[in-house]
Amino acid sequence: NSKVIQTPRYLVKGQGQKAKMRCIPEKGHPVVFWYQQNKNNEFKFLINFQNQEVLQQIDMTEKRFSAECPSNSPCSLEIQSSEAGDSALYLCASSLEENTEVFFGKGTRLTVV
Amino acid sequence: QQQVRQSPQSLTVWEGETAILNCSYEDSTFDYFPWYWQFPRESPALLIAIRPVSNKKEDGRFTIFFNKREKKLSLHITDSQPGDSATYFCAASYSGTYQRFGTGTKLQVVP
Repeated sequence: NSKVIQTPRYLVKGQGQKAKMRCIPEKGHPVVFWYQQNKNNEFKFLINFQNQEVLQQIDMTEKRFSAECPSNSPCSLEIQSSEAGDSALYLCASSLEENTEVFFGKGTRLTVV
Repeated sequence: QQQVRQSPQSLTVWEGETAILNCSYEDSTFDYFPWYWQFPRESPALLIAIRPVSNKKEDGRFTIFFNKREKKLSLHITDSQPGDSATYFCAASYSGTYQRFGTGTKLQVVP
């Protein structure tokens, strides 16, 4: 069973509002990923970290999305100004190293109304 | 650009039959191919994975067949059980990058 903890499980925001979600990776896992899974089951990679450093991120993440993984604190993903199209399941995952098994948290389901 | 493709989109088999789920990819540098399953209202979980050093990986009733030349792989589920009903995702990655996911095959096993 995955030990990646995501909070909150559900998040409802109005358009234009900030939406923030958190993730505690599995203990000892230095690599953390954020994915967005939409209602069509499409996974969109957002950003990944190794320890506190950003490894890769997509353009979308650079504009309205911000993320960090500070030491000794939960990782977080924040949408500065929520849009209806941001409604999705946001999955955090962690792994021991790149290019190997990743363990997903239960996700934060964001609904933007 | 969809780098990992799956077919069929949905599949229904009878209990006890073999379900075959297909996956293809574009980037020949991919060298890690995990399959995840996801139950309703749950997060994806790793089922089985393969690296191109072998063309077959077996774990109980689940077997991956891998064809590097054609850039295709398939997941075979033998003796399918109702509890196998889930959405199955094929993914691919290579060192230094994140996993790309297909859009899934929804499997229903009918008793």
